[in-house]
Amino acid sequence: GNSVTQMEGPVTLSEEAFLTINCTYTATGYPSLFWYVQYPGEGLQLLLKATKADDKGSNKGFEATYRKETTSFHLEKGSVQVSDSAVYFCALRGSGAGSYQLTFGKGTKLSVIP
Amino acid sequence: KAGVTQTPRYLIKTRGQQVTLSCSPISGHRSVSWYQQTPGQGLQFLFEYFSETQRNKGNFPGRFSGRQFSNSRSEMNVSTLELGDSALYLCASSLAEGGGYTDTQYFGPGTRLTVL
Repeated sequence: GNSVTQMEGPVTLSEEAFLTINCTYTATGYPSLFWYVQYPGEGLQLLLKATKADDKGSNKGFEATYRKETTSFHLEKGSVQVSDSAVYFCALRGSGAGSYQLTFGKGTKLSVIP
Repeated sequence: KAGVTQTPRYLIKTRGQQVTLSCSPISGHRSVSWYQQTPGQGLQFLFEYFSETQRNKGNFPGRFSGRQFSNSRSEMNVSTLELGDSALYLCASSLAEGGGYTDTQYFGPGTRLTVL
């Protein structure tokens, strides 16, 4: 079946530091890949997505590139802010019938200190 | 456009009771999915409904059930509650056009269920 593996953290960074959260996946076919963010007490918000190989998703300074050869979708940001403190989830959505549900990684908690 | 709404936001129940959670999708969205989030198991898929039909189901016992109405609103029911059912239950909606796997799922704020 489909699976997602991401670094679990927690990750603590100083403001303006560079962020990388690794995510790799296992899936048949051509899944779509997503990063969601969850702030305390809230649901999930879509951060970015990519639906085919070599696509780059970007939003609010975050970027991730769909690498089919390495089955990866690492999240990066050049300069984090305190407001980026949250839990980040990597997820995939399968392309086969009956596998359209999101499969999530365990989540990475990011804390950014001033 | 209003987002996904879930009611109630918080619930406290005792073991053996049953509970019904409600989800209203984004206007125009035809697919509704439900997920359970716990600290131990993370985010797990419960089921997906599309046009009032269950299209996919996760690996949960039959105590967990759901339905979708003609206006795309969805409910999920958990019968004979157990302590382990304490979790955040998240509903997500998507347009579900063209097969759906490239669609984005938009999440509601969740219902926090506590079973005592």
